[in-house]
Amino acid sequence: AQSVSQHNHHVILSEAASLELGCNYSYGGTVNLFWYVQYPGQHLQLLLKYFSGDPLVKGIKGFEAEFIKSKFSFNLRKPSVQWSDTAEYFCAVNACLARGNNDMRFGAGTRLTVKP
Amino acid sequence: ETGVTQSPTHLIKTRGQQVTLRCSSQSGHNTVSWYQQALGQGPQFIFQYYREEENGRGNFPPRFSGLQFPNYSSELNVNALELDDSALYLCASRSGTSAYNEQFFGPGTRLTVL
Repeated sequence: AQSVSQHNHHVILSEAASLELGCNYSYGGTVNLFWYVQYPGQHLQLLLKYFSGDPLVKGIKGFEAEFIKSKFSFNLRKPSVQWSDTAEYFCAVNACLARGNNDMRFGAGTRLTVKP
Repeated sequence: ETGVTQSPTHLIKTRGQQVTLRCSSQSGHNTVSWYQQALGQGPQFIFQYYREEENGRGNFPPRFSGLQFPNYSSELNVNALELDDSALYLCASRSGTSAYNEQFFGPGTRLTVL
């Protein structure tokens, strides 16, 4: 069964610091990879996704993620965080199943606090 | 706002009772997925409905059941509630079943089982 691990439960950074949130998954087949964000009091929303092609994907608000197949990783990065990036971040994996892409597994989430 | 709405916002039930949660999908979306998010955890996939048929299910017992209506709105029913069912229940809608099409999440229903 596929699983997703996010190693950092809570990350605290100062504004302008660089961010990297780790995500590892376990699944031997082809996967689609996602990062979602949940700002305080708001819905879960998609930050970025990877299906195929260039392993470095760019998302909204200056975020990017790199898919490293050999490491089963999909780490999220941002060169310079802002106070408004304070949120919960979830990595998710969707196995490409024959019956349709309908089983999405989420990590436990990483809470990011950015201090002004 | 995503156009996906859920009701009620909060609900308190006692162990053994039954509960029904509702979700209205975003206009034009014919697929609804339900997730359970326990405190401090990520969402866990319960099941997905596509054009009124269940189209995939996660590792949840049969007392978790659902429906999808012709207007693509959906219900999640949980029978014989247990304390561990206390969680935030999220629904998400998308067009079709492919992960290529973004799914949009609702605000969730917070269920507390006493």
